[in-house]
Amino acid sequence: QKEVEQNSGPLSVPEGAIASLNCTYSDRGSQSFFWYRQYSGKSPELIMFIYSNGDKEDGRFTAQLNKASQYVSLLIRDSQPSDSATYLCAVSRSGATNKLIFGTGTLLAVQP
Amino acid sequence: KAGVTQTPRYLIKTRGQQVTLSCSPISGHRSVSWYQQTPGQGLQFLFEYFSETQRNKGNFPGRFSGRQFSNSRSEMNVSTLELGDSALYLCASSETRTGLLGTEAFFGQGTRLTVV
Repeated sequence: QKEVEQNSGPLSVPEGAIASLNCTYSDRGSQSFFWYRQYSGKSPELIMFIYSNGDKEDGRFTAQLNKASQYVSLLIRDSQPSDSATYLCAVSRSGATNKLIFGTGTLLAVQP
Repeated sequence: KAGVTQTPRYLIKTRGQQVTLSCSPISGHRSVSWYQQTPGQGLQFLFEYFSETQRNKGNFPGRFSGRQFSNSRSEMNVSTLELGDSALYLCASSETRTGLLGTEAFFGQGTRLTVV
């Protein structure tokens, strides 16, 4: 079992729709959760982080965390073609480290 | 604030050679982590340096090494290159971690290494 799992996609949504990206993790010691966006040929760009159970909203993005079920999700409202990218979920344990464990990413395609 | 700077952007090396990659973190960030990204394995953690000390290491062979300088700049070295080392090497910069929560990591543009 991989430590962080994501559906590789592609997830195809029409422009203006809500895109829902999911991630599960196996380590119950995980405390911090991050979503990165990576365009083809570029480096990952941090778009959201969440530490507590519940929802966290930032513009069109909402991160959701459920530690009991060990899943974290990212919702993108009013999806735009420019949102088409690979979305990487990353988790970090507690303790004195910034080590991130990444999922393999979900490719999102927003159709105009 | 300037972002994370990695040099060089592209490298082509021959099997058996060694290579050194450089990373300058965001000003004020003392933690630098290195990752390898390949199509098959995704993003994998190599090691993390904080205040010139390696404080975490991933599951890579000893051919992969790194160091951090007093100005927080970091280098990673790969010796005796193999074809499978061809990858995008990414450096991530983070502020000092507080409490139990991880701090956000910001990535450089990466170094694309091709081993032939």
